[in-house]
Amino acid sequence: GENVEQHPSTLSVQEGDSAVIKCTYSDSASNYFPWYKQELGKRPQLIIDIRSNVGEKKDQRIAVTLNKTAKHFSLHITETQPEDSAVYFCAASRVKTSYDKVIFGPGTSLSVIP
Amino acid sequence: DVKVTQSSRYLVKRTGEKVFLECVQDMDHENMFWYRQDPGLGLRLIYFSYDVKMKEKGDIPEGYSVSREKKERFSLILESASTNQTSMYLCASRGGYQPQHFGDGTRLSIL
Repeated sequence: GENVEQHPSTLSVQEGDSAVIKCTYSDSASNYFPWYKQELGKRPQLIIDIRSNVGEKKDQRIAVTLNKTAKHFSLHITETQPEDSAVYFCAASRVKTSYDKVIFGPGTSLSVIP
Repeated sequence: DVKVTQSSRYLVKRTGEKVFLECVQDMDHENMFWYRQDPGLGLRLIYFSYDVKMKEKGDIPEGYSVSREKKERFSLILESASTNQTSMYLCASRGGYQPQHFGDGTRLSIL
């Protein structure tokens, strides 16, 4: 079945450094890739998403890149801050109708050290 | 702003009990989902529903059932709770081609 792999499972960076999380997906028909951030004890919240007709998308310190040929997509966080510490989930889905399920990666626990 | 409300944040039940987890969304979304979240395993889909009275199995449906009698409400049912169903349960809803919105989660302990 479809699956999404995510690496690394844990990541520690110094405040101000960049963090990169990488995901690969198996379903070549996937065309929508959201990223969620889950702080401790809170719900996952969407931070950025990208569709397959775009190779890169940026929102302030956060960017996502997509390589459809290789079935890879990555999250880049620049100038990390302690409040970026959380678990990050990538996901992939086929948006062909409003009825569709989303496959999540296992998550990356990011720690930003002050 | 989308609001997805789960009826309980914490729940403790006993082995063999029938357990109901309730989820309500206020945005008239067609799609609703139940996930289970365990450390190192991410979010695993149990069931989802794309319309009233419609349901589809996710990746780990065994031991669970669901009910969607009204568009805004999606219930997860543990027919006979077992200790291996101790977990965090997350409900989500989605309208059209929009991202999913999650509830706060229910931390369920089965003793």
